[in-house]
Amino acid sequence: GAGVSQTPSNKVTEKGKYVELRCDPISGHTALYWYRQSLGQGPEFLIYFQGTGAADDSGLPNDRFFAVRPEGSVSTLKIQRTERGDSAVYLCASSQGVETGELFFGEGSRLTVL
Amino acid sequence: AQSVTQLGSHVSVSEGALVLLRCNYSSSVPPYLFWYVQYPNQGLQLLLKYTSAATLVKGINGFEAEFKKSETSFHLTKPSAHMSDAAEYFCAVSEREKLTFGTGTRLTIIP
Repeated sequence: GAGVSQTPSNKVTEKGKYVELRCDPISGHTALYWYRQSLGQGPEFLIYFQGTGAADDSGLPNDRFFAVRPEGSVSTLKIQRTERGDSAVYLCASSQGVETGELFFGEGSRLTVL
Repeated sequence: AQSVTQLGSHVSVSEGALVLLRCNYSSSVPPYLFWYVQYPNQGLQLLLKYTSAATLVKGINGFEAEFKKSETSFHLTKPSAHMSDAAEYFCAVSEREKLTFGTGTRLTIIP
């Protein structure tokens, strides 16, 4: 597609449930990023993939959060046993993987945990 | 770790007036710095970036930013505000392949 696509755009779930958020990056982009944006805050880094492997997962808050990118394209962010504090907009971005390069962001998936 | 601080979570300017959004960085090495803009219901998009070439960087929509090492600043300016500039603006610093963002400044344009 022309841009980064994220689904679902909105997800409402109950505390304790499992959630998956999907990101389809720009074709040919080798790098993929997940960020989390809480109300009134800037995007907070979660994890970065270069190809299929997680090059840096230092931003994942705890072991309830996990992300995969099995074929080096689409990525899924998985959240187990959701908590109310997980409510945020989850942003995906992709790039050509160059340090000074531009990140292209999707519109985000808004997660609400009741 | 590198970081950025944005001064002023909300800025209001009149249409046609100068826009100045402030960003200070903290970095132990020469930084790569970015400004991103987020329009309502849209994804973040790059306005401009500094990568150690010219200290005055020009971006899209008439915005520019000047890298000042002595002040550790990378403030964003636009000579004349337009209604369409109303958005949230984020300053960011690059550390290896990931960006660290500031908390954002919401720009409101007064007609």
